[in-house]
Amino acid sequence: DTGVSQDPRHKITKRGQNVTFRCDPISEHNRLYWYRQTLGQGPEFLTYFQNEAQLEKSRLLSDRFSAERPKGSFSTLEIQRTEQGDSAMYLCASSPLGQGAIFGPGTRLTVL
Amino acid sequence: AQSVTQPDIHITVSEGASLELRCNYSYGATPYLFWYVQSPGQGLQLLLKYFSGDTLVQGIKGFEAEFKRSQSSFNLRKPSVHWSDAAEYFCAVGARSGGGADGLTFGKGTHLIIQP
Repeated sequence: DTGVSQDPRHKITKRGQNVTFRCDPISEHNRLYWYRQTLGQGPEFLTYFQNEAQLEKSRLLSDRFSAERPKGSFSTLEIQRTEQGDSAMYLCASSPLGQGAIFGPGTRLTVL
Repeated sequence: AQSVTQPDIHITVSEGASLELRCNYSYGATPYLFWYVQSPGQGLQLLLKYFSGDTLVQGIKGFEAEFKRSQSSFNLRKPSVHWSDAAEYFCAVGARSGGGADGLTFGKGTHLIIQP
């Protein structure tokens, strides 16, 4: 296992469409995080899981956003009815307890 | 709510010179503290972290950071920078939860430029 992977790396969609991103964490890591990063800004926390339990959700995570980690392994982030303001880099990270998070390469979303 | 301030948006340093990037945080208790680096088109890489114990933390690539509780600071230092250190540097703070960190709050970043 070489790190956190994310798929797709790039996604272009039209406003109003739904999109889903996948994150595969490092296998022994029980915590998985989702962040969003826009140009010139630091990453903003969206949500995180410990195993399959979603422990925290940011106020940034509107009702159009949903994240799952059904078996405590990979995770998906779905955005429904995308808006142009959703255009950003979506970052996934994982960590074991007591360690820093390792980030994936991100999925760049462009909403036209 | 926690917050992170990186006062310097850009810093220019000559190759071989020393570097200090500033980070101040706001949090009610002792947080977890991190520095990450992001090169153009690359993902975030963890440089170092502070969880507890020795307040001077050593990281990768010759970086170190010092946690100063009285100043709510976690400044990043390197004695001699290399051209390859040019990148965006992010300081982050996380609340302690169940043996790990909750979602991190990041600063806006400091863009490091290396002059030849």
